[in-house]
Amino acid sequence: GESVGLHLPTLSVQEGDNSIINCAYSNSASDYFIWYKQESGKGPQFIIDIRSNMDKRQGQRVTVLLNKTVKHLSLQIAATQPGDSAVYFCAENIGSNYGQNFVFGPGTRLSVLP
Amino acid sequence: NAGVTQTPKFRILKIGQSMTLQCTQDMNHNYMYWYRQDPGMGLKLIYYSVGAGITDKGEVPNGYNVSRSTTEDFPLRLELAAPSQTSVYFCASISPTGRQYFGPGTRLTVL
Repeated sequence: GESVGLHLPTLSVQEGDNSIINCAYSNSASDYFIWYKQESGKGPQFIIDIRSNMDKRQGQRVTVLLNKTVKHLSLQIAATQPGDSAVYFCAENIGSNYGQNFVFGPGTRLSVLP
Repeated sequence: NAGVTQTPKFRILKIGQSMTLQCTQDMNHNYMYWYRQDPGMGLKLIYYSVGAGITDKGEVPNGYNVSRSTTEDFPLRLELAAPSQTSVYFCASISPTGRQYFGPGTRLTVL
């Protein structure tokens, strides 16, 4: 079946640096993408989303980039802070049935070094 | 709003025992979901519901059952627990705009 994957299972960055987490998706029909943050022992927390008619979307300290040509999604975190340490994973949704066809990647663990 | 709440947080079951994982949301969302999360794996959809009285199977429904008698509640039932059901279970709901809200999870161990 279709799958969402991540290039790097772990990422260590220095506090204050920018972080980039990548995600490759395989279904060209996917029209909605979400990045989640999951801290240890907690449920996934919505960070930012993007629809397929956009290639960039910015939030507070986070930016999501979508490259439909190569089916690639990235999450950029500016000025990474210790509180950003968590597992980040992307999800893609196919079609209009909200949630029914969400496919989740396994996640990338982000470690922020002091 | 409390959002999506789940109980219990932790549970240990013996093989063959049964239990119900509770999930409640106070956002009046129609769509609700149950996922399991295994180490190193992405979330897998067990069951979902598009409204009270309507449920359907997801990717990994075997060994589970659900019901949706109200908009708020979406319990997940394990009838004969097996070691393969050791996992972390997340309940979620979706807003009309498509944003998904997750509960804090239930960590289940079957011995």
